[in-house]
This record gives sequence, C-alpha cells and structure tokens, in this order.
Amino acid sequence: DTAVSQTPKYLVTQMGNDKSIKCEQNLGHDTMYWYKQDSKKFLKIMFSYNNKELIINETVPNRFSPKSPDKAHLNLHINSLELGDSAVYFCASSLDDRGKGYTFGSGTRLTVV
Amino acid sequence: GQQLNQSPQSMFIQEGEDVSMNCTSSSIFNTWLWYKQDPGEGPVLLIALYKAGELTSNGRLTAQFGITRKDSFLNISASIPSDVGIYFCAGQTPRTYTGNQFYFGTGTSLTVIP
Repeated sequence: DTAVSQTPKYLVTQMGNDKSIKCEQNLGHDTMYWYKQDSKKFLKIMFSYNNKELIINETVPNRFSPKSPDKAHLNLHINSLELGDSAVYFCASSLDDRGKGYTFGSGTRLTVV
Repeated sequence: GQQLNQSPQSMFIQEGEDVSMNCTSSSIFNTWLWYKQDPGEGPVLLIALYKAGELTSNGRLTAQFGITRKDSFLNISASIPSDVGIYFCAGQTPRTYTGNQFYFGTGTSLTVIP
C-alpha cells in the first residue's frame, strides 16, 4: 500500500485555468504538507496543516489554497494558473511531533502552457 | 526563510568510490535529516540525527551531526549504481513554535559511473 499518494502524476494545463492536486496518506499522521520543487530541484515549503492550524509560507500566492476534508487528505487548489507555477509539487505527512521526518508522495509534475 | 547550503552541488564518481557531502547553515539546528530522491520520485528519509556529535549509520551510509550544530555530513562508502540520485539535508531549528517544519538544503546530485 502506498503511504502517501498523489494524483495526478502529471498535469498539463493552460494558463488561467483552475486545477487541483489530491493527496492522501494512510500512515495515521496528523500533519500534512505541500512542497514545491523548482527546476533547480530546490524544495520549498508551501503549507503545513493539521487539525489545529494552517501554517502558510508567506511567499505563496493566494491563488494557492489547501483544502483538508479530513485528517488523511490535503488537496491543493490552484486558481488562475501562471507559467511560473510549472514545477513538481510534493505532498508529505508526519507525526505532529517536532523532529519527526516527513514521508513524501511521488510528486505531481505540473506544466502550464 | 532558512536555506541550507549543500556541497558539492554535483558529483560524478566511479563505482566503488566513497562519497562525502555536507550541509551548512547560519543557524543552530536541533535535528538533521538526510533524504535521497530518485528520478521521478519523492525524497525518502535515509538517516535522522538528534544530538550534536551524533554519528549514525544506515548500511553503507553514515551521517554526522556537527558539533557546532550548524552543519551535518553524509558519507557513502563503496558506491554502487543505485546510489544515483539527489541527496538533500533538512534541518529543524530549536524555535519554540508549534509545528514540525524542516528547512531543506539545495541538494547534491550524485552520478555513479559503472
């Protein structure tokens, strides 16, 4: 069974569209995250979320919004897509204890044309 | 936000050679993690370090938590082709805020030539 699963694996869309990426974890973790990996492979946190709080990286445009229907899911919605949004997006999860490593999904490659 | 500097940025080595890479920060960290990312996949946790000076091994991999708490090192002995990938360090500051946020390094891309 996949621990952290993301769908779709690949997403190609036109500028201006709205799209969503889904993420589910079956590890019983209480915190989930979204990371963006750019073309230089740098991993940048976008959001971390548990049932207590949503922590947003202040550099993330408000066109990006996380939605969590329950503890095991954290979906990423993106409005009005721009060319610069093209990247690989990773979902991750962890226990809500400091020092616990993350388990990452396999990523969603988003291409905006 | 914090950015961790990894070096070298990339390495090309012959199979069987040993590999060393490091990660440095301007801030003190209380946790260091090392991840490996295979092409087309997400990063996978290799080693976690929780105490200054700690030395931990995972098979042919050995990582150390620097004494200054501002750096960490990863060594791979007797490299094999499947060691190819990008290696990331990740660190967590001892700030007293809620959450489990880690800062990731810039990555070291490893190529092993058979």
